Formats: sequence, structure tokens, C-alpha cells
Amino acid sequence: NAGVTQTPKFRILKIGQSMTLQCTQDMNHNYMYWYRQDPGMGLKLIYYSVGAGITDKGEVPNGYNVSRSTTEDFPLRLELAAPSQTSVYFCASRASTTGDGSPLHFGNGTRLTVT
Amino acid sequence: GDSVTQMEGPVTLSEEAFLTINCTYTATGYPSLFWYVQYPGEGLQLLLKATKADDKGSNKGFEATYRKETTSFHLEKGSVQVSDSAVYFCALSDYAAGNKLTFGGGTRVLVKP
Repeated sequence: NAGVTQTPKFRILKIGQSMTLQCTQDMNHNYMYWYRQDPGMGLKLIYYSVGAGITDKGEVPNGYNVSRSTTEDFPLRLELAAPSQTSVYFCASRASTTGDGSPLHFGNGTRLTVT
Repeated sequence: GDSVTQMEGPVTLSEEAFLTINCTYTATGYPSLFWYVQYPGEGLQLLLKATKADDKGSNKGFEATYRKETTSFHLEKGSVQVSDSAVYFCALSDYAAGNKLTFGGGTRVLVKP
């Protein structure tokens, strides 16, 4: 069981370039999330999705876009990379849509540097 | 809005020492509470959870009790090992706030032999 898989693991972008961070899960989870983790900081929610075709903004959505065409995939798009987007990005998924304590399952992260 | 506050690190301990990481929260509804652990170069993993007041979550020698009266969920371990060196995150899930997880800032723990 692969769980949550993120690609690539590392990426260096120049300012203004675009890229897509891929995330796929094989647990048939409805909820999926994108977080960023800045050095020495906690996690900030970028976007989330409660199911295929539905996405919503988190705390820090500016500069990012997402789509959810299937249950399995939840790619994160950076259109015009900026140095402030240098961070480690984590994708996560979750089974339940209610606050009953179902945990998040995380991918291993994508370390992005924008120079 | 919901928030989680945990003690800042780093926390440096000797092997076999007692570990406590404080966590307090504010929430709109009646949240579920979690501790996640992040080992170097990896994603976060669930360590333990509690879904209602007075529940105790436990795993790998770690424990935390959901204290509604003090809005706290402190993490404890009686005897740490070098392999417990990691970053620990307290988090809450509040259905009343859209069921999103809110994380604390993380506490880095370093256990020395």
C-alpha cells in the first residue's frame, strides 16, 4: 500500500517559472490537503478538497492553484514562482468528512527552492 | 478561529529522561486532538489521538490526555531514547470549523546518548 505519493522530491525554480507538484493517494480518501512548512515553522494550509471536483482555499492560497479531477489526484500548481514560495510542501489525505478523529496521512514532501 | 499553541523548542534531553511537551488549544466546537511526529527528511506521522474529553491517547510509550477544562493535550514520555529525536506537532480537528486540521508550530526534541 503506497499511501500518499508526492513527486518530485526536490526542485529548484527560477523566479517567474511555473511547475506542478503532483500528489496521488491510493486509499480512496475523500479529503485531500496541501500544506507548506517553512523552516522552523509549523504547517500552513494552502488548499484542500472534500472530493472530486471540489476545492477550497486554506490560510495561504495566494500564488497557488489546485484541481481535483479524480479522487486519487490533487496536483498543486505554482504559476509564477517567487522566492517567498521556497518551502517544503506536504500533501495529505483523510478518510472521514466528520470530526471523528480520523487522522491525516502525509506524503514525504517536496522541497522547493525558488531563486 | 481555532488555534494550537505548543511550547517552543528545541528541547534537549539525555537518554532515559522524562519528556513533556505542552499543548493548549482554542476551538469553536468539540475538537479531536492529535500529536504528529516528523522524523528528519520525512512527512508527518500520526503518533496518537484523542477524540473526546478525558480520553487518553497512547503509542510507543508516549501519552496525552484530552483535558477540556484546561483546553490542553500535553505529550509525555517517561524515558526517551535517541530514536525519539524528531519534531512533534500538536493539532486539532474541529468539525464546526470546516473539519480542517490546525497545527501548532512544532517542537524539536533532541535526545543525546
